[in-house]
Amino acid sequence: QKEVEQNSGPLSVPEGAIASLNCTYSDRVSQSFFWYRQYSGKSPELIMSIYSNGDKEDGRFTAQLNKASQYVSLLIRDSQPSDSATYLCAAGTDRGSTLGRLYFGRGTQLTVWP
Amino acid sequence: EPEVTQTPSHQVTQMGQEVILRCVPISNHLYFYWYRQILGQKVEFLVSFYNNEISEKSEIFDDQFSVERPDGSNFTLKIRSTKLEDSAMYFCASSDNPGPQETQYFGPGTRLLVL
Repeated sequence: QKEVEQNSGPLSVPEGAIASLNCTYSDRVSQSFFWYRQYSGKSPELIMSIYSNGDKEDGRFTAQLNKASQYVSLLIRDSQPSDSATYLCAAGTDRGSTLGRLYFGRGTQLTVWP
Repeated sequence: EPEVTQTPSHQVTQMGQEVILRCVPISNHLYFYWYRQILGQKVEFLVSFYNNEISEKSEIFDDQFSVERPDGSNFTLKIRSTKLEDSAMYFCASSDNPGPQETQYFGPGTRLLVL
């Protein structure tokens, strides 16, 4: 059973600070990793995807992947109150067996206060 | 920007009734998914669908569930006899590339309440 674990939070940071969100996964076969943002009562919205070890930056967001440690993180720089949401970590499955079923963590609730 | 759409946004039904949730995937996408999220819980995979066939289904997707692509645009999830525990948000997702760098785009969801 593939498991994706996240600290549920809540994580609270002041506006302008760096928010750090962490995720671990239990299955070494997972090849692709995603961070989705979910506002209350809304659908998951893709923020970042990462497939290779190292860092990937997109604007204020940086995703980091360490496959040896089975660890994925998301850094949000210059956090804004509009970043307040639940952040979902998801892992994609081995392409040899499935069409891309995603396994989600429970999500980390982030609050950015002005 | 193209997006996945879902109808209805909310559905209330009585236990034992059949419901059909509808999705219109992004037009050039060929791979379709249903997920659900019970209030306060994880997003859970239900089923994936390609080329008019189920590709994979989870243990949640039992005989009460079925999926269909009745025409070139719609993708439906049917629950034959709803149970109280089927109350959840149901999300449709689609992608155009299930390879190593696939991206799944989610619709806004249908909130199903079974009474």
